[in-house]
Amino acid sequence: SQQGEEDPQALSIQEGENATMNCSYKTSINNLQWYRQNSGRGLVHLILIRSNEREKHSGRLRVTLDTSKKSSSLLITASRAADTASYFCATEPGAQKLVFGQGTRLTINP
Amino acid sequence: NAGVTQTPKFQVLKTGQSMTLQCAQDMNHNSMYWYRQDPGMGLRLIYYSASEGTTDKGEVPNGYNVSRLNKREFSLRLESAAPSQTSVYFCASSEYYYNEQFFGPGTRLTVL
Repeated sequence: SQQGEEDPQALSIQEGENATMNCSYKTSINNLQWYRQNSGRGLVHLILIRSNEREKHSGRLRVTLDTSKKSSSLLITASRAADTASYFCATEPGAQKLVFGQGTRLTINP
Repeated sequence: NAGVTQTPKFQVLKTGQSMTLQCAQDMNHNSMYWYRQDPGMGLRLIYYSASEGTTDKGEVPNGYNVSRLNKREFSLRLESAAPSQTSVYFCASSEYYYNEQFFGPGTRLTVL
C-alpha cells in the first residue's frame, strides 16, 4: 500500500492564484520529498525536507512538514501555466528507498 | 553529462516474449531504482540497488529480474512478458538512498 497519499487528487486554478497540495503518510520518516511530472516525462525533484525541519522554501515553492500529524503540504505561489503537471510526495521511511503517493494533478487555467 | 538514460523509449512485445530494459547514469550515484507507472497512478518500486553489488525487491517484483552490472548500469529483465506488464517504466538514481532521485525519460512498454 502507498505510504504517502496526496490530496486533492486533482486541482484546477486560475493563473496567478496559489495552489496547495497535501500529503499524508503512515509511518515515521527520515525525510519527505516532492516531485513534479510533466505529461509523459520522468519526475523532477523539487524539494526535500528532513524530519527535523518544519518549513522549507525554494523560489515560489513552500513546503511544510508536521511529523506529529504525519502530513506535509506543498504551496506554489503565483501559479503559471508552466506549473501544470502532476505533483508527487515521496517518503523515505529508513528502508533504503522512497515510497511515492499517487499524485495531485494540477491544472493552471489562463 | 546526460544524467539518467534509458533504452529503448518504446517497445511492443507479444505475450511470452522476453526483453531487457537498459538504464545508465553518469553521475557516479550509488543507488539505482526501477519503477513502473500505470495510468493515473503513482510510481511503484519494482527493484532497487542501494549500492553496487546489491539488489532488493520493491513493492511489485513478480515477473521481473534485475542486474546491477556495474556502478553506472542497472538493467530490468522481463523473462516472459504478460499484458499486465504494460506500463511506463522509469529508472532513477541517487547519490545515496536518502538523497533526491534523478529520473530517466521512461520506456513505454506495451504487451499484446
